[in-house]
Amino acid sequence: EDQVTQSPEALRLQEGESSSLNCSYTVSGLRGLFWYRQDPGKGPEFLFTLYSAGEEKEKERLKATLTKKESFLHITAPKPEDSATYLCAVQVGSGYALNFGKGTSLLVTP
Amino acid sequence: DTEVTQTPKHLVMGMTNKKSLKCEQHMGHRAMYWYKQKAKKPPELMFVYSYEKLSINESVPSRFSPECPNSSLLNLHLHALQPEDSALYLCASSQGPQGSNQPQHFGDGTRLSIL
Repeated sequence: EDQVTQSPEALRLQEGESSSLNCSYTVSGLRGLFWYRQDPGKGPEFLFTLYSAGEEKEKERLKATLTKKESFLHITAPKPEDSATYLCAVQVGSGYALNFGKGTSLLVTP
Repeated sequence: DTEVTQTPKHLVMGMTNKKSLKCEQHMGHRAMYWYKQKAKKPPELMFVYSYEKLSINESVPSRFSPECPNSSLLNLHLHALQPEDSALYLCASSQGPQGSNQPQHFGDGTRLSIL
């Protein structure tokens, strides 16, 4: 059975304290791994797509990487406005469906 | 601001009411989706429309009825809902065709409360 596991469930950082969020997956036929950010009361906001092991994507303070078993979302020198829930999702086979992890709730304090 | 627009933002309805949720996108995407999200849970897929035809129905109860009038619009008709149907309902869209691994772009959802 396809599984997506995110860790930690919750993370509290001081402003400027860099860290990484993890998304591990056990799926057959990965076609894409997606990172989203979700603020309370809002829909998920697309951040990155990764397609193959070794691929990296960057946007401002965020960098996403992918191996054959997991993906990391590295946050460098976070700011309070980076506080949100970060969701990882995988797409497998020939379908449209996204298989989401349960998310990591990030709080960055001043 | 998202490029997927959902209305209304909030909806309170009784169990005997009939209401509709609306979703619109103007990105030229040919796949559109309905998701349900409960508090502190990830989104759960309900329906997928591909080129205006229903492609996936994830065993959703018949009290939820989707409709895709054209490539830019998606509706979700609600009737005789239960209190456990209270949730955030999200619409998303992506480039087609089926099998393409393009990202899905979400609207901000409709917060639905069933009394």
